[in-house]
Amino acid sequence: DVKVTQSSRYLVKRTGEKVFLECVQDMDHENMFWYRQDPGLGLRLIYFSYDVKMKEKGDIPEGYSVSREKKERFSLILESASTNQTSMYLCATGLAHEQYFGPGTRLTVT
Amino acid sequence: GENVEQHPSTLSVQEGDSAVIKCTYSDSASNYFPWYKQELGKGPQLIIDIRSNVGEKKDQRIAVTLNKTAKHFSLHITETQPEDSAVYFCASAPGYSTLTFGKGTMLLVSP
Repeated sequence: DVKVTQSSRYLVKRTGEKVFLECVQDMDHENMFWYRQDPGLGLRLIYFSYDVKMKEKGDIPEGYSVSREKKERFSLILESASTNQTSMYLCATGLAHEQYFGPGTRLTVT
Repeated sequence: GENVEQHPSTLSVQEGDSAVIKCTYSDSASNYFPWYKQELGKGPQLIIDIRSNVGEKKDQRIAVTLNKTAKHFSLHITETQPEDSAVYFCASAPGYSTLTFGKGTMLLVSP
């Protein structure tokens, strides 16, 4: 079975803090994705990566950056957290189409 | 870019009834249509998908239909059970592009 792990299930940060969300996959997949999930808005793609050190903007990249130094690890970075970034963050891996999701990190910015 | 509309946003059924969730998409180049199920506290999980060269696909109690002319596709769940209660997302993708998801449907199955 594909395993996608995210570093934290719940996270509380203060406005202005730099926040790192980590995602690790064990299936040697090329592609990795970061989404945010908000009630009534579904899943929205923030960034994705097709290979190590490669990154592509998704639909809502503003306020975020990413890092992929190793194939199995994809990090989402909030340079200066704001309250409107309070959300559920989901990491996924796999083919562009068939994706496997982690359990999510619920981030609260106060 | 692609736009996916999903209806209804919530759906309540009695155990044993059928449930239908509908999605429409905008990009005529879209050729892949998956459905994901998200249980409480978990990430979404792929349950069934269909490609544009197929009109219908079944897997036990779930089926998906696709009408490319009308640009809509639907998820059908028969003989619903309480464990079917979850949030369901449709999605579409043109070519090898990334997925665009619908806003989700919360399905509640009452015993």
